[in-house]
Amino acid sequence: QQQVKQSPQSLIVQKGGISIINCAYENTAFDYFPWYQQFPGKGPALLIAIRPDVSEKKEGRFTISFNKSAKQFSLHIMDSQPGDSATYFCAASYGGYQKVTFGIGTKLQVIP
Amino acid sequence: NAGVMQNPRHLVRRRGQEARLRCSPMKGHSHVYWYRQLPEEGLKFMVYLQKENIIDESGMPKERFSAEFPKEGPSILRIQQVVRGDSAAYFCASSPGARGAGQETQYFGPGTRLLVL
Repeated sequence: QQQVKQSPQSLIVQKGGISIINCAYENTAFDYFPWYQQFPGKGPALLIAIRPDVSEKKEGRFTISFNKSAKQFSLHIMDSQPGDSATYFCAASYGGYQKVTFGIGTKLQVIP
Repeated sequence: NAGVMQNPRHLVRRRGQEARLRCSPMKGHSHVYWYRQLPEEGLKFMVYLQKENIIDESGMPKERFSAEFPKEGPSILRIQQVVRGDSAAYFCASSPGARGAGQETQYFGPGTRLLVL
């Protein structure tokens, strides 16, 4: 059962463009939605996170948009750079501890 | 402050052998999580531990897999009698606490890549 659906699985964006990755969840108990960035051969690193009481959160070039009624959230990377080329995972968790459910991942390639 | 440390980074085992993966959480972190990542897939939760206690092992196969986080020393993920399907990257994460004020943020180690021949 895939509780967090992520799309697209791969994305090619030109330098300076906007990268958009979408996720949808099923479990309404989820109350914490982090995004992770993973470079080849490395562990995932927390990029940005949001809770459902906020509709948008921005940190530098990275923005999360959250739509609670639609059970969807997305990551926007503004002014994408070749150094942003990595795999991005959306995730969700709930409860007294953080058992995180990950999306399948989006492999982003930013071309010059 | 060193990050989450995992060793070995790469491990090769033949079918039927045992694999032992180690994870040292960040200083001050008492919560450890293990995830498995198969090629071209997302991370799957395996087990959540606090010192000397397994809190949730719902994602861990019932047979051959075990995990511990002793009072002293690293957390250990143990796979007995490995099979080719166990080949994957195994990531450990740690957090300072369970919830609230950033306590839930999980910091990942670099992973152990297990190859079963």
